[in-house]
Amino acid sequence: DQQVKQNSPSLSVQEGRISILNCDYTNSMFDYFLWYKKYPAEGPTFLISISSIKDKNEDGRFTVFLNKSAKHLSLHIVPSQPGDSAVYFCAASARSNYQLIWGAGTKLIIKP
Amino acid sequence: KAGVTQTPRYLIKTRGQQVTLSCSPISGHRSVSWYQQTPGQGLQFLFEYFSETQRNKGNFPGRFSGRQFSNSRSEMNVSTLELGDSALYLCASSSRTSGNTDTQYFGPGTRLTVL
Repeated sequence: DQQVKQNSPSLSVQEGRISILNCDYTNSMFDYFLWYKKYPAEGPTFLISISSIKDKNEDGRFTVFLNKSAKHLSLHIVPSQPGDSAVYFCAASARSNYQLIWGAGTKLIIKP
Repeated sequence: KAGVTQTPRYLIKTRGQQVTLSCSPISGHRSVSWYQQTPGQGLQFLFEYFSETQRNKGNFPGRFSGRQFSNSRSEMNVSTLELGDSALYLCASSSRTSGNTDTQYFGPGTRLTVL
């Protein structure tokens, strides 16, 4: 049972435009969400996080939106740059055990 | 601060063999988690160690085991290797003590190929 789902295996976006990556979850106990970026042959690197008491968190070009009623979060990247081409993972955790549950990842390709 | 290091980076084994992977966390981090990544499967949680004790365990068979030493370095062992164990094994460290979710910092991974 996949508790965290990233339904788009890949996404292609023009350089300079907005990239929107989506993530859905099923466990209503999740209260902390993170996005990680992964380049080939490297481990994932932390990008941005949001706790369930907020519905938006911004860090430079990256903004994460949380819709608790829909159990949905999204990562917006504006403007998209070639270096943003990577696999993006969303992860979630609950206060009960703090174990991170990961989505399968979305491969973002930024076209010049 | 040095990042998370994992050794070896690449490993080729044959079915039935056993393998030990090593992870050195960021200095001061006491929590080490291990993940298996296979194409299309995301990161599958194996286990987490904190202060030499296994604190969380994922849904993997008993062939997968781990341990943590007093200096927080961790090892992961896979016995009786199967072809399906071919994957990227990632180690992550965090400063998480208890009562919160903390950011995990990942090493580059060990690419294990089982022939």
